[in-house]
Amino acid sequence: AQSVTQPDIHITVSEGASLELRCNYSYGATPYLFWYVQSPGQGLQLLLKYFSGDTLVQGIKGFEAEFKRSQSSFNLRKPSVHWSDAAEYFCAVGPSAGGTSYGKLTFGQGTILTVHP
Amino acid sequence: GAVVSQHPSWVICKSGTSVKIECRSLDFQATTMFWYRQFPKQSLMLMATSNEGSKATYEQGVEKDKFLINHASLTLSTLTVTSAHPEDSSFYICSARGGQGEQYFGPGTRLTVT
Repeated sequence: AQSVTQPDIHITVSEGASLELRCNYSYGATPYLFWYVQSPGQGLQLLLKYFSGDTLVQGIKGFEAEFKRSQSSFNLRKPSVHWSDAAEYFCAVGPSAGGTSYGKLTFGQGTILTVHP
Repeated sequence: GAVVSQHPSWVICKSGTSVKIECRSLDFQATTMFWYRQFPKQSLMLMATSNEGSKATYEQGVEKDKFLINHASLTLSTLTVTSAHPEDSSFYICSARGGQGEQYFGPGTRLTVT
């Protein structure tokens, strides 16, 4: 069965510092990978996605993520964090195209990001 | 980008009544939508997969007679919580599947049952 692990429940960084949020997955085949962000009381916004090709993907709001097959990881990074980045971040994995489970995602437990001024 | 709306954003109802939540894809057609429930400080729990024109597929442990899902068109899915009880109080989020398997989420509906 597929699973997603976000080892860090809560991370605190200073504004302007760099950020890396970790995500490890367990999946039987090459998965589709996603990062979402959720502000309090809101739905989830898609930050970026990896399907194939270049293992370094760029997303919105200055975020990027790198797919490392050998480590089963898909870590999210940002070189300089802004106070508005404070939110909860979810990593998700899903099947590639086709099949009855297409589009059905498995989410990690989330990482809460706090940004200090 | 793909936009999904939910209505209402917040609803309070009395125990024993039913509540309907709408999920709409505003600028694309969604053959598949998903319904989630999220408890405070927790991740999303998938309740069911809603396919246009067919019966929803419920996850294990989700009462299909309590959480009625209808996906009558390519842009609208509804979740009806029947005979609501206080333990049904939660944050309900829908999403619509995009063309590459990604999901676009609605803003969520906060349900409080008194």
